[in-house]
Amino acid sequence: GAVVSQHPSRVICKSGTSVKIECRSLDFQATTMFWYRQFPKKSLMLMATSNEGSKATYEQGVEKDKFLINHASLTLSTLTVTSAHPEDSSFYICSAPSGLRNEKLFFGSGTQLSVL
Amino acid sequence: GENVEQHPSTLSVQEGDSAVIKCTYSDSASNYFPWYKQELGKRPQLIIDIRSNVGEKKDQRIAVTLNKTAKHFSLHITETQPEDSAVYFCAASYTGNQFYFGTGTSLTVIP
Repeated sequence: GAVVSQHPSRVICKSGTSVKIECRSLDFQATTMFWYRQFPKKSLMLMATSNEGSKATYEQGVEKDKFLINHASLTLSTLTVTSAHPEDSSFYICSAPSGLRNEKLFFGSGTQLSVL
Repeated sequence: GENVEQHPSTLSVQEGDSAVIKCTYSDSASNYFPWYKQELGKRPQLIIDIRSNVGEKKDQRIAVTLNKTAKHFSLHITETQPEDSAVYFCAASYTGNQFYFGTGTSLTVIP
């Protein structure tokens, strides 16, 4: 299947700093990528849909200025957590659809963010 | 948006028994329903999926059924093995435009 690469896998930062997470589709082009947040033993909460060359679509309750998304190319989407606070600590995971009808969703390996 | 509910949240079965996980969805426009397995610390992996024009699909020990009228679909795992222990997520999507996930089921297969 398609491969989605996500970096970094783990990051620890101080409160008030910004953290960038990269999501790359390695062997296919992704005009759309999805960003999820996952709490321990909880479900995948869709944060936003990243669209190549246009603005991301954010889910209700997700702060656009807090979670900046850039999808500058067909293989790269980035999520920047700005002015991070301890409550932003979580597991962030990206995914991209591929396949005949663009229905097969492939996930990155996730990023564990810890804000001190 | 779509609302996907999943039950049960935890499930323990003896090795060799069957496991059933059920999901309901709210948006009748959803037409694609994948199931993902997530092992601890790993990324979710697609294990089986079904489209809305099909009522049932089977792949070895795993099967999925869909009742479009009632808006519910289920995952069936037969002859469970310890390596089936993981968190399982159902999801609903409309032609790949956004995927909404259920709350997950933590399955434990007891040897």
